[in-house]
Amino acid sequence: NAGVMQNPRHLVRRRGQEARLRCSPMKGHSHVYWYRQLPEEGLKFMVYLQKENIIDESGMPKERFSAEFPKEGPSILRIQQVVRGDSAAYFCASSPPLAVYQETQYFGPGTRLLVL
Amino acid sequence: GNSVTQMEGPVTLSEEAFLTINCTYTATGYPSLFWYVQYPGEGLQLLLKATKADDKGSNKGFEATYRKETTSFHLEKGSVQVSDSAVYFCALVGAGGFKTIFGAGTRLFVKA
Repeated sequence: NAGVMQNPRHLVRRRGQEARLRCSPMKGHSHVYWYRQLPEEGLKFMVYLQKENIIDESGMPKERFSAEFPKEGPSILRIQQVVRGDSAAYFCASSPPLAVYQETQYFGPGTRLLVL
Repeated sequence: GNSVTQMEGPVTLSEEAFLTINCTYTATGYPSLFWYVQYPGEGLQLLLKATKADDKGSNKGFEATYRKETTSFHLEKGSVQVSDSAVYFCALVGAGGFKTIFGAGTRLFVKA
């Protein structure tokens, strides 16, 4: 059973460009979470999605950031008009459907975004 | 709100030394508690977890006990190896919740 997959693993963008990060959850998982890790810090929750629904986006910046998890295909975290402060590692995690709250989340390897 | 506080690093130990990384939390009810490990350039791996008071999580020689009375979940290992060098994150998911709240991480260096 493959783990959570993220691509690309590394992404370099110039200021003002768009960054698109992809996450494929573990097989059979339908809950996806995105976290951001700034340099030398812990991970911070951004958004929680189920198929075609955003459940909680309280950790998402109000502008330029959006996330989706379509019926088919991976979850996408999109950052428009990137700025240097967006440089970070972005981690995706997944958990099974009908998950009991406080269920373990399984993390992907992360996408390291560098904005020049 | 819920929060996790863990000891600042870096922690530098010699091989075979005893390891303790302190972690305390603030949360209502009974959160689930986790330790994750992050090796250089990699993602997070679940190291161990505990879901109720007095539970002991253990894996690869690491242990942590869920102490409700002291709101702590300290990570211990009796004899560290060079390969244990990594960043260790204490984390919780609140009762009835889904957001994982992470501590700032503790970097461990083990010297041969």
